[in-house]
Amino acid sequence: AQTVTQSQPEMSVQEAETVTLSCTYDTSENNYYLFWYKQPPSRQMILVIRQEAYKQQNATENRFSVNFQKAAKSFSLKISDSQLGDTAMYFCACYSGNTGKLIFGQGTTLQVKP
Amino acid sequence: EAGVAQSPRYKIIEKRQSVAFWCNPISGHATLYWYQQILGQGPKLLIQFQNNGVVDDSQLPKDRFSAERLKGVDSTLKIQPAKLEDSAVYLCASSLGGTVNTEAFFGQGTRLTVV
Repeated sequence: AQTVTQSQPEMSVQEAETVTLSCTYDTSENNYYLFWYKQPPSRQMILVIRQEAYKQQNATENRFSVNFQKAAKSFSLKISDSQLGDTAMYFCACYSGNTGKLIFGQGTTLQVKP
Repeated sequence: EAGVAQSPRYKIIEKRQSVAFWCNPISGHATLYWYQQILGQGPKLLIQFQNNGVVDDSQLPKDRFSAERLKGVDSTLKIQPAKLEDSAVYLCASSLGGTVNTEAFFGQGTRLTVV
């Protein structure tokens, strides 16, 4: 079974600063992928960044990067140079490469302040 | 490329009534998911289809919820009878599936209010 836990219900950051969102997960599989999704107030969920579990190198996508600690089953998201448009709910998710099952955490609401 | 389409966007019903939601995934996407998202919480997987077969429906309250994906394309999710606690946003998502194209694309969701 897959589980995803996000322990920070709400966070805030000043514009242009850096913020890190935490996520831990559990899975019995070796073939899995981890994601961070963003859900702005308009509600359409979009993918921010993806990490293949078999890759040691941390994924980076422009201002977004992850810290993937496989042994600790930790997968945090770092947002650099925060922008007002980053205000949203962020969800960590775990995908099973064997079954295609996609499970989400409880989410972290991020507020970027001007 | 057209995205995942869902309808209706909003629905208000009284408890014990029935309701149906419709989802049209991105063309060619084999995997389709239905999630229930209660306000302020993360999406909870209700059911996952691979083409027209059910892969996982372990979290679907089968006494009142049903879903189908005829012909492996669009899908409907039904609630009958609805309860107050069913008030939520129902999200549909689709993906090509497998281990290369793992990204799930989401629709705008249907916001259900049960009064």
